[in-house]
Formats: sequence, structure tokens, C-alpha cells
Amino acid sequence: QITLKESGPTLLKPTQTLTLTCTFSGFSLTSSGVAGGWIRQPPGKALEWLALIYWDDDERYSPSLRSRLTITKDTSKNQVVLTMTKMDPVDTGTYYCVRGRRSGYNVYFDYWGQGALVTVSS
Amino acid sequence: QSVLTQPPSASGAPGQGVTISCSGSSSNIADNVVNWYQQLPGTAPKLLIYNDNKRPSGVPDRISGSRSGTSASLAISGLQSEDEADYYCATWDDSLDGWVFGGGTKLTVL
Repeated sequence: QITLKESGPTLLKPTQTLTLTCTFSGFSLTSSGVAGGWIRQPPGKALEWLALIYWDDDERYSPSLRSRLTITKDTSKNQVVLTMTKMDPVDTGTYYCVRGRRSGYNVYFDYWGQGALVTVSS
Repeated sequence: QSVLTQPPSASGAPGQGVTISCSGSSSNIADNVVNWYQQLPGTAPKLLIYNDNKRPSGVPDRISGSRSGTSASLAISGLQSEDEADYYCATWDDSLDGWVFGGGTKLTVL
């Protein structure tokens, strides 16, 4: 059974740094074709992809947020960590941890965490 | 403003069929496969279709996907009340160098 769970702060002040941890089970980030990533959703709005890290340590970032994001993995702890600097109220939303599976040139997100609501407010 | 364009809403009566469109461009849908996600109210999204038309285990065959040119479509036949959800298309964009989502379509079963 594959599960993912996000953990981290629920409330941040503007300019602070967000660190979210995804702890997963049921798969390994050392397996070929597997990736861990983050997707967010502002309240009442659409999904937005943020970052992805592959089994081979390749990292991909949203071009619009690249300068603020860092994604890392700890395979011994089965964790993926997202860091986002200079948080702003527009960054308020639910942050989802996802498992990515590569299929040819495609990557699809086949398992999702329950989501972590992050609010940025002074 | 999403890179992929979806109608904000769609509806159909129980038992009927509905199609949700996803319009893109030469830098995304024209050259890359499309995935679809279903988000039931108050829950995390779930993978519904990958690689344009493949269904993960557990997704019924009354749900199908297709892609042609710069557009993709999700078709749901035999609508049921549990199909009421938001549906998102997604693909890779070669120009943006990242994954992009549509703005989402809210499906109502009348």
C-alpha cells in the first residue's frame, strides 16, 4: 500500500521560508522511473506543479518559481523535502506531495498525499 | 491564466455522457501526452487517465481519454452522482520546461 503524508507549518508570515516534508511508504525513490514531487492549489483555484526529484537525483522546477524552490530527497528516511523562500500571501494554499512515474517521455502523478494547508499572513 | 484551457463547467443527467475538452498549443499537447486528474470535493486529486488514454487499475472503462492536434478530451459515459468532481488535464510544456495544468472543469450531475 502506497501512502504519502505532508508535514510542516500551517501558518507563516510574509518573507519567511516554508519547509515541507513528505514522508512516504510503499515504494522507494531509488527505483528506476520513480520521482517525488510537489503540487499546490490556492483556495478555489487550479493545481500548480512546483517541483520534482527523480530516482537518479535529477531535479525539475516550475520556471516561474525556480529561484525560490529547492527539492531534496532522503532515501534512507523515505522523505522528500520542499523549501520555498520569501513566502507571500499569494502562496497560501494546499500543498500536495505526489509520487511521479515515468512512462516514456511522460511523467504522471499516480499517488497523492492528503495535502497540507499553508496560510501566509502577517 | 492557465496554459491549458478547459471549460469551467460541464453537466449531464445520470446515465448520459459528457465530454470535457482541454485546449493547448504546439509547445504542449501537440507533442506531449496528456494526463487527467479527478478531484472529488474536499479531497486530494486522483489520477484518472495517463498517456492520453490509459486507465489506472480501478478506473472504470466508461471513462476514456483522447488527444488530437493541440487538444485533448476526457469522456465519461453513464454518468453517476459520484462523478461530480473537478477534472484537470495536465501535460509537459516544452517552451516553459515544466508540467502545466488546465484551469479545471467542474462536472455537475443533474
